[in-house]
Amino acid sequence: DTGVSQDPRHKITKRGQNVTFRCDPISEHNRLYWYRQTLGQGPEFLTYFQNEAQLEKSRLLSDRFSAERPKGSFSTLEIQRTEQGDSAMYLCASSSTGENTEAFFGQGTRLTVV
Amino acid sequence: GESVGLHLPTLSVQEGDNSIINCAYSNSASDYFIWYKQESGKGPQFIIDIRSNMDKRQGQRVTVLLNKTVKHLSLQIAATQPGDSAVYFCAESRKETSGSRLTFGEGTQLTVNP
Repeated sequence: DTGVSQDPRHKITKRGQNVTFRCDPISEHNRLYWYRQTLGQGPEFLTYFQNEAQLEKSRLLSDRFSAERPKGSFSTLEIQRTEQGDSAMYLCASSSTGENTEAFFGQGTRLTVV
Repeated sequence: GESVGLHLPTLSVQEGDNSIINCAYSNSASDYFIWYKQESGKGPQFIIDIRSNMDKRQGQRVTVLLNKTVKHLSLQIAATQPGDSAVYFCAESRKETSGSRLTFGEGTQLTVNP
């Protein structure tokens, strides 16, 4: 499978705990995006990387959220001190550089904070 | 404010019929549009895209129409099959938006009845 891979697929955590998700993009893609999706809604942009540089962060990304892409390949999204409102599907997508190129999504990580 | 949205939240069709899913956008600077299909528990799957210099684009069983005058986008699915049942999202991006990140609408649930 050469698509976008996310791990884990599901995560249940207690409120206040830290969680970390991983995304492996399509290998030749140098752009990587994180989105969050709640039930019945479309995905909302969180942040994006071009190679290892984090070039934009949404206002949705509070101080408890941090994303990294240290070697310009895989990326991690960490949520510290999780809250029930963090429960959502976290989606990763990748695309190649250039204007108007399609983004391909992974299967997502479903986070449930109890 | 700027938004990308869908006219109908649900659409039910008979197998074999053609389906039309609509999307309205408010930002005239939008220049790239994508339709995604999302099945339950999965990430969005790219269907077809269109650039603002085009009015129509065809794929396999799908056609996207863009009317820039009224800021309207539609997805036509020919000979709809039960496997087409899913939530369909339109998404837009603009050249001035860094990294070509996507703004999604709320989605239309398509149900295909056998």
